[in-house]
Amino acid sequence: ETGVTQSPTHLIKTRGQQVTLRCSSQSGHNTVSWYQQALGQGPQFIFQYYREEENGRGNFPPRFSGLQFPNYSSELNVNALELDDSALYLCASSDGLAGDRPDTQYFGPGTRLTVL
Amino acid sequence: KNEVEQSPQNLTAQEGEFITINCSYSVGISALHWLQQHPGGGIVSLFMLSSGKKKHGRLIATINIQEKHSSLHITASHPRDSAVYICAVRLSADGLTFGKGTHLIIQP
Repeated sequence: ETGVTQSPTHLIKTRGQQVTLRCSSQSGHNTVSWYQQALGQGPQFIFQYYREEENGRGNFPPRFSGLQFPNYSSELNVNALELDDSALYLCASSDGLAGDRPDTQYFGPGTRLTVL
Repeated sequence: KNEVEQSPQNLTAQEGEFITINCSYSVGISALHWLQQHPGGGIVSLFMLSSGKKKHGRLIATINIQEKHSSLHITASHPRDSAVYICAVRLSADGLTFGKGTHLIIQP
């Protein structure tokens, strides 16, 4: 158990809809990263939040957005869902100053999103 | 070309065998992570390495910074070790860059 939880576990949406995925970080962790893992692939970095501000972003379009809250929980929002958005979405929290030093990432169990 | 390359992609071995999974990366890094992912998706962090070698139980991880290469070894492998093993590095201030993973099956 890493102390990182995600909800929901599974989700089915249709193309064009919007979705919000949630992550509750391990207590005291001020950095959260979101990753998308397509079937059979390694995870791809979406973005990272540090103290409620976006602190880095991967190659994902603006319809992928996020929020981090003072209690270190966070959200990933995806607008205008496309079929290719079907994937496992993972969040990972850490207590490192974002990017300043190596830090152990604690992963949540993931949310499996299916877009029909 | 993927910045993080793992080999082999798939590995099937018998219980008790010594397992080696390799990871190569293309640029300088501050740390390398070895992760384990079981069916269903949950990822567990096994090691974070900046240099040298780390050992935890039957798992050993080594890294050679000059050669940009790391290995994960499993001694006395067991069917419960069956999982996908993923190497990941931090290339910048952004999040981790992952390899595609090595799918390991240990047969009894």
